[in-house]
Amino acid sequence: NAGVTQTPKFQVLKTGQSMTLQCAQDMNHEYMSWYRQDPGMGLRLIHYSVGAGITDQGEVPNGYNVSRSTTEDFPLRLLSAAPSQTSVYFCASSRTGTGGRGSYNEQFFGPGTRLTVL
Amino acid sequence: QQQVKQSPQSLIVQKGGISIINCAYENTAFDYFPWYQQFPGKGPALLIAIRPDVSEKKEGRFTISFNKSAKQFSLHIMDSQPGDSATYFCAASMIWGNQFYFGTGTSLTVIP
Repeated sequence: NAGVTQTPKFQVLKTGQSMTLQCAQDMNHEYMSWYRQDPGMGLRLIHYSVGAGITDQGEVPNGYNVSRSTTEDFPLRLLSAAPSQTSVYFCASSRTGTGGRGSYNEQFFGPGTRLTVL
Repeated sequence: QQQVKQSPQSLIVQKGGISIINCAYENTAFDYFPWYQQFPGKGPALLIAIRPDVSEKKEGRFTISFNKSAKQFSLHIMDSQPGDSATYFCAASMIWGNQFYFGTGTSLTVIP
């Protein structure tokens, strides 16, 4: 299993440009989410999905769109990039309900995408 | 408002020493408290987790201590090694949900 994969690893955008960060998982997990990681801020939830066709907003959703047409894929779209969106973005997935390792809903993270908006 | 507060922001420990990272929360509906470990350039990975029905959980050199009445929990790393140098995040979630609330992270450096 590849686990959670993200592309690209690095991206530089100009203000106002749009782009899509790709995320895919091969573990048949129902739950997927996007976080951004900023120094001193920890991981903040952007959007999440509990299954195909179902998405909801997290803590910092402004400026981002998501859709979930399949169980495997959960892309994050930046419609008009701003310098404040410079960050490292992580996608994560988990099963719903009780999960493996005897614990609840272990989240598996991808390797991240480092985005710089100039 | 930060749902989970974590301290310290950074920590430097000598090899063989004990590393202690603390977290506090307010929402009493939280009932799952994991710790994630993140190496540079990588995504976070689950290290150890605890539920509030026990006060301590140990896995190898890593121990979570949980104080339900104080709404605090901490990670202890015994016999700290240079390979433990990483960023550690505490988190909390509710039993019926997958939404996690993360602390701000602690950068641990273990000096040889």
